[in-house]
Amino acid sequence: AQKITQTQPGMFVQEKEAVTLDCTYDTSDPSYGLFWYKQPSSGEMIFLIYQGSYDQQNATEGRYSLNFQKARKSANLVISASQLGDSAMYFCAMIPSARNNNDMRFGAGTRLTVKP
Amino acid sequence: DAGVIQSPRHEVTEMGQEVTLRCKLISGHNSLFWYRQTMMRGLELLIYFNNNVPIDDSGMPEDRFSAKMPNASFSTLKIQPSEPRDSAVYFCASSLKGGGPQHFGDGTRLSIL
Repeated sequence: AQKITQTQPGMFVQEKEAVTLDCTYDTSDPSYGLFWYKQPSSGEMIFLIYQGSYDQQNATEGRYSLNFQKARKSANLVISASQLGDSAMYFCAMIPSARNNNDMRFGAGTRLTVKP
Repeated sequence: DAGVIQSPRHEVTEMGQEVTLRCKLISGHNSLFWYRQTMMRGLELLIYFNNNVPIDDSGMPEDRFSAKMPNASFSTLKIQPSEPRDSAVYFCASSLKGGGPQHFGDGTRLSIL
């Protein structure tokens, strides 16, 4: 089955500390893409970071990095130096197959709360 | 650069009424997606277009839902007649190429009374 799983409904982190949001996925296709989105309380969906299955290095975008462990089928998001504005829902998403490369699947999300 | 633009931001209407949601893609993007988000079901893909052509509408819940893309930069999602269970946030997203990141609009929060 092609699915994506986020097992943490909610996470807390102290301001300025790093936090890891977990994401595991399942696909049988060797060519796939992994994405993270942020949804603040205002409701918009903000694209954060992308990792291709053939990328040799972990993706990084500013304070966001993706800990891609292909053998374990995990794509955890690491946020360094958390800020109060990082409090939001975070969704992991996957395009499970290059043959249907617009079929994006989303996880259930993790609600991150950054404490001052 | 302007992002994906959706209108209206909020819509409240009575059941049985026709609802039309609108979306303007990012210039140059050629794939368009309509999603629905609810607490119970999360984010669900309803339909997507490549180069104005509907590719997969298997996520459209019923015949009451229809989507069109009359030109390369604009799409509508119509619900007729609307029902209370259609209440949700509807997102439009576009992407530059298949397999790449999808960029979302701010969503339309729809409430059917």
